[in-house]
Amino acid sequence: DAMVIQNPRYQVTQFGKPVTLSCSQTLNHNVMYWYQQKSSQAPKLLFHYYDKDFNNEADTPDNFQSRRPNTSFCFLDIRSPGLGDAAMYLCATSLGGQGVHEQYFGPGTRLTVT
Amino acid sequence: QQQVKQSPQSLIVQKGGISIINCAYENTAFDYFPWYQQFPGKGPALLIAIRPDVSEKKEGRFTISFNKSAKQFSLHIMDSQPGDSATYFCAARVSGGYNKLIFGAGTRLAVHP
Repeated sequence: DAMVIQNPRYQVTQFGKPVTLSCSQTLNHNVMYWYQQKSSQAPKLLFHYYDKDFNNEADTPDNFQSRRPNTSFCFLDIRSPGLGDAAMYLCATSLGGQGVHEQYFGPGTRLTVT
Repeated sequence: QQQVKQSPQSLIVQKGGISIINCAYENTAFDYFPWYQQFPGKGPALLIAIRPDVSEKKEGRFTISFNKSAKQFSLHIMDSQPGDSATYFCAARVSGGYNKLIFGAGTRLAVHP
């Protein structure tokens, strides 16, 4: 089945220790998104890639970076995690271009910062 | 302002009852309104969606009602089942650009047997 895969599902990191979360997709979608979802809150878009073009949301902290080495993979790098960065991180994909395109979400990576 | 307000925050319904979740928005530059269902430990999954030129859309037990003039839309779950217990998010797509969604804060639904 075509899908969005996130690894790991659970990640524990120490305060200030860089961490990388990964997302892969078999849907061949050209847009990939990263969301942050804190407990009992709505998903909040951090940034997205449209093909190779990176688009940062205005309020996304510089501490968050992303890489997309190819169509299938996208990484979220947190350079110096703080306690406030503990959250579920969701990757989503969609087709791009004209018209409305459904976003398909992965299962998420739950990040704990100790 | 790009914001979607969702209510209630939590909802308890008896099996067989009707669950109703409401959302409102201010920005008129939204062109698509999806509802997502999220089970604990899972990512959101698209449940049903509507465009603003349609006042109602029904898929099985799920219905979206859309009031363009009031800038409100709601999700109705008929004959609610315990398996419907999940968190529901309304969302609105920002027209133009890259398919950006603005999510409501979510409603935690519990359907009791």
